[in-house]
Amino acid sequence: GAVVSQHPSWVICKSGTSVKIECRSLDFQATTMFWYRQFPKQSLMLMATSNEGSKATYEQGVEKDKFLINHASLTLSTLTVTSAHPEDSSFYICSATGTGSYEQYFGPGTRLTVT
Amino acid sequence: QKEVEQDPGPLSVPEGAIVSLNCTYSNSAFQYFMWYRQYSRKGPELLMYTYSSGNKEDGRFTAQVDKSSKYISLFIRDSQPSDSATYLCAMTNNFNKFYFGSGTKLNVKP
Repeated sequence: GAVVSQHPSWVICKSGTSVKIECRSLDFQATTMFWYRQFPKQSLMLMATSNEGSKATYEQGVEKDKFLINHASLTLSTLTVTSAHPEDSSFYICSATGTGSYEQYFGPGTRLTVT
Repeated sequence: QKEVEQDPGPLSVPEGAIVSLNCTYSNSAFQYFMWYRQYSRKGPELLMYTYSSGNKEDGRFTAQVDKSSKYISLFIRDSQPSDSATYLCAMTNNFNKFYFGSGTKLNVKP
């Protein structure tokens, strides 16, 4: 199956700083990438959908100025958490699909801890 | 009302048991139904995919979709301790957005 990588897998940052998370599709072209947030013992909460070369579409309640998403190429999307606060601490997971595909390939996730 | 409802469990069964996991949904437009398995601190991995109503079998796993009842199931036969994980159902109508259940945590005891 296709592989999606995320980097870093775990990051600790201080309150007020920004953190960038990378999501890469390693062996296929990801026309669409999704960013999810997952709280302990809860399901995936979709934050935004990004298509290569387009602005991301954010879900209601997700601050686009706080969670900056860039999908610059067919293999790379980035999520930048700006001015992070402790309440932003969570597990962030990206996924990617090819054109018209039902199959989402998930990255391994990034655990963000804001102190 | 949530788009997709799933009992969070936890569900604890002995090794070898048949496991039944279920989701209900409210949007009749959903056409594509998926089951994912997620181990702790890992990203989900696709287990089964079904289009519209019907059954699909893959080894020890069987997925069922009943669109008339808006109800989907995943059955695991001869469950193994390695099946212990959280199982998430997901569905979509156009691949632009996927709706996930909250996940059911399964524990298979040796």
